[in-house]
Amino acid sequence: GESVGLHLPTLSVQEGDNSIINCAYSNSASDYFIWYKQESGKGPQFIIDIRSNMDKRQGQRVTVLLNKTVKHLSLQIAATQPGDSAVYFCAENMYSGGGADGLTFGKGTHLIIQP
Amino acid sequence: DAGITQSPRHKVTETGTPVTLRCHQTENHRYMYWYRQDPGHGLRLIHYSYGVKDTDKGEVSDGYSVSRSKTEDFLLTLESATSSQTSVYFCATAGQGAYEQFFGPGTRLTVL
Repeated sequence: GESVGLHLPTLSVQEGDNSIINCAYSNSASDYFIWYKQESGKGPQFIIDIRSNMDKRQGQRVTVLLNKTVKHLSLQIAATQPGDSAVYFCAENMYSGGGADGLTFGKGTHLIIQP
Repeated sequence: DAGITQSPRHKVTETGTPVTLRCHQTENHRYMYWYRQDPGHGLRLIHYSYGVKDTDKGEVSDGYSVSRSKTEDFLLTLESATSSQTSVYFCATAGQGAYEQFFGPGTRLTVL
């Protein structure tokens, strides 16, 4: 698959503020996008996903926005808490007819929460 | 990480030695994946499996082989380890719908 990248390697926000993490993707054929959270020493943990036929999806304190026109994906975290400190990855999954290929990951954004 | 275990969790080995990493799942998921994670590269797909004895190459498959003799186990083998294979290795699984992938806790491999 083609690369999925992130605009900023590190994002620092105040506790209680909203966080926005951005991601650019290059493959217009991608039909599924995922955000993962990875805490130090652990495996990636699923946060939220969105299909290409949608432009917004909300979860608990998180919202993912998809802009296919400019191939941009964002993750919004409301009322950021210390437990949100982690590296966040966007990924795309091109589901092929013969089965599921793996995910193509961006390089990650490190979210730092300031007290 | 629920339902996915990886062994060993840490390993130090020497260049030229064979190494096998094991992924075990209790979710009865059809699809299994091996990724490596390196600074500056994020996670990259090594190999994946879409069923017992059915595997395919990913983005960075050179130097690695895999086997899946039963649904719950997916083995990653480095036939002759090199220092460039020092990395953290993650196993992941996905069910029949194959969208959301669940990751194991990772194996940290150091090749001296």
